[in-house]
Amino acid sequence: DSGVTQTPKHLITATGQRVTLRCSPRSGDLSVYWYQQSLDQGLQFLIQYYNGEERAKGNILERFSAQQFPDLHSELNLSSLELGDSALYFCASSVWGAPNEGLFFGSGTQLSVL
Amino acid sequence: AQKITQTQPGMFVQEKEAVTLDCTYDTSDQSYGLFWYKQPSSGEMIFLIYQGSYDEQNATEGRYSLNFQKARKSANLVISASQLGDSAMYFCAMSLHNNNDMRFGAGTRLTVKP
Repeated sequence: DSGVTQTPKHLITATGQRVTLRCSPRSGDLSVYWYQQSLDQGLQFLIQYYNGEERAKGNILERFSAQQFPDLHSELNLSSLELGDSALYFCASSVWGAPNEGLFFGSGTQLSVL
Repeated sequence: AQKITQTQPGMFVQEKEAVTLDCTYDTSDQSYGLFWYKQPSSGEMIFLIYQGSYDEQNATEGRYSLNFQKARKSANLVISASQLGDSAMYFCAMSLHNNNDMRFGAGTRLTVKP
């Protein structure tokens, strides 16, 4: 158990809908990252937050948005969903000042858009 | 943004033999970290090994070692004495200072043959 909690584990929805994915980082970790992994693909970096502020941004679509709250949990909002948004969405967290520990990943949210 | 390249979509290795998975990277930053992660068929992301850009010695973790050639911008993963349980996807990743903006390569699928 990495200590990173993602909910829900599975989500099935229809095109055009909006969903929210939730992530609770490990206790004490200030950085939260979001990644998208489509079938048999690598991990596409979406966005990183550090202590509530956006730290780095990848190829995140305008239909997607994220935020990190004062209690450090994060939410990824996906709107106007398309079939191609079906993917495994990972959240990860890391502790500041210990790069050698890498990122700790949650078990992911499997999103299916029908 | 930094770029990570894994040129081997798939690799096969005989059980008990060693295998090298290739990774090259591109960045203009001087302070960065290099990582390898394993993703078994169950889907979780497992951190294997880390190499800092200022580390002079190659990192080792049990049967894993990272062959770091800074001038060539390569960070190959060597797995010694392969086991059947090593069959998985392997991702190379790179982050800027303090785990900022971590990007992943496309991955290499390793199959260990009995």
